[in-house]
Amino acid sequence: DSGVTQTPKHLITATGQRVTLRCSPRSGDLSVYWYQQSLDQGLQFLIQYYNGEERAKGNILERFSAQQFPDLHSELNLSSLELGDSALYFCASSVELANNEQFFGPGTRLTVL
Amino acid sequence: GQSLEQPSEVTAVEGAIVQINCTYQTSGFYGLSWYQQHDGGAPTFLSYNALDGLEETGRFSSFLSRSDSYGYLLLQELQMKDSASYFCAVNPSGAGSYQLTFGKGTKLSVIP
Repeated sequence: DSGVTQTPKHLITATGQRVTLRCSPRSGDLSVYWYQQSLDQGLQFLIQYYNGEERAKGNILERFSAQQFPDLHSELNLSSLELGDSALYFCASSVELANNEQFFGPGTRLTVL
Repeated sequence: GQSLEQPSEVTAVEGAIVQINCTYQTSGFYGLSWYQQHDGGAPTFLSYNALDGLEETGRFSSFLSRSDSYGYLLLQELQMKDSASYFCAVNPSGAGSYQLTFGKGTKLSVIP
């Protein structure tokens, strides 16, 4: 158990819908990262927040957005969902701003039908 | 951009030693990390090399050669529970570059 929690564990929805994935980092970690893992694209960085502020953006679609709240939990919002958005979404956290040791949550498996 | 190359699959016998290679091309470089992921599980940090040389952590060792843009993960005394996917990842340098870029992963199968 990494100490990072993610909800829900599984999510099944239809194309065109909007979903919100939630992540609580390890106690004391200020940095939160979101990753998408699919069979064809592998593990891809989406976005990073540090202490409430966006710090880095990766291959995140404009239909996707995220935020980190004052209690440091983070939410990833996915809208106008497409079949290709079906993937595992991981949240990770670390203590520092730039840290190679990231602690991953169990992930949310999103299925878009 | 960044790209990392690692073998897609490796099979090894229980008790043996296996080496998983990773070559990378990056615009900048802060270090090479290795993560393990069991089927259905989350990636778990194994090791990090910022400087050239070998880092040892129990049965696992990781090596980096910055001049060759190459690294490897060495697993000794293989156990069945080591069957998993192993990912190398780089942290590219540059202002604001805090994300990890992962390789496609190497699926290790340990057989009796």
